Amino acid sequence: DQQVKQNSPSLSVQEGRISILNCDYTNSMFDYFLWYKKYPAEGPTFLISISSIKDKNEDGRFTVFLNKSAKHLSLHIVPSQPGDSAVYFCAAINYGQNFVFGPGTRLSVLP
Amino acid sequence: DTAVSQTPKYLVTQMGNDKSIKCEQNLGHDTMYWYKQDSKKFLKIMFSYNNKELIINETVPNRFSPKSPDKAHLNLHINSLELGDSAVYFCASSQEFKGGERDGYTFGSGTRLTVV
Repeated sequence: DQQVKQNSPSLSVQEGRISILNCDYTNSMFDYFLWYKKYPAEGPTFLISISSIKDKNEDGRFTVFLNKSAKHLSLHIVPSQPGDSAVYFCAAINYGQNFVFGPGTRLSVLP
Repeated sequence: DTAVSQTPKYLVTQMGNDKSIKCEQNLGHDTMYWYKQDSKKFLKIMFSYNNKELIINETVPNRFSPKSPDKAHLNLHINSLELGDSAVYFCASSQEFKGGERDGYTFGSGTRLTVV
């Protein structure tokens, strides 16, 4: 049973527009969520996180929204830049347990 | 049915000990990896391995060694454990698609290693 889902394997967006990456989870015990970004031939790098007590966290061009009732979070990138083209992983954790990663969404930002 | 499974989930051990973490994938992927998650939540690649080659991150101490008995397993052996080895270690696998792009990463749930 996949506890963290990223149902879009890929997404293409024009440069300057907004990119929205979605993530759904099934375990209501998750209390902390993270987004990782991965370039080819490199390991995933931490991007942004959000605690379950918040519904929004913003860091520059990146904003993560959490809807606990829907068990859904999303990552917004605005404006999108070609350097944002990468694979984005959603991850979730509940206190004292281990991480659960989604399968990733490949974002392509077109110039 | 877990796709990438790691055991143990938690490991507490004393300095100087030798320990192993096991990883198995049932996805038929051709490449497996070990990552270390540091205190800032960054995932750092330690090793990648397929049936053709082992690629080692040069920053990884030689106390760490991967062992792959077959395509579905990549175990991590750590000798002479040090306090600084305490971290969460993730196993992952991926499949090479046409055109050489690696995609479809699947991570294990991690092993939380604590060295005391």
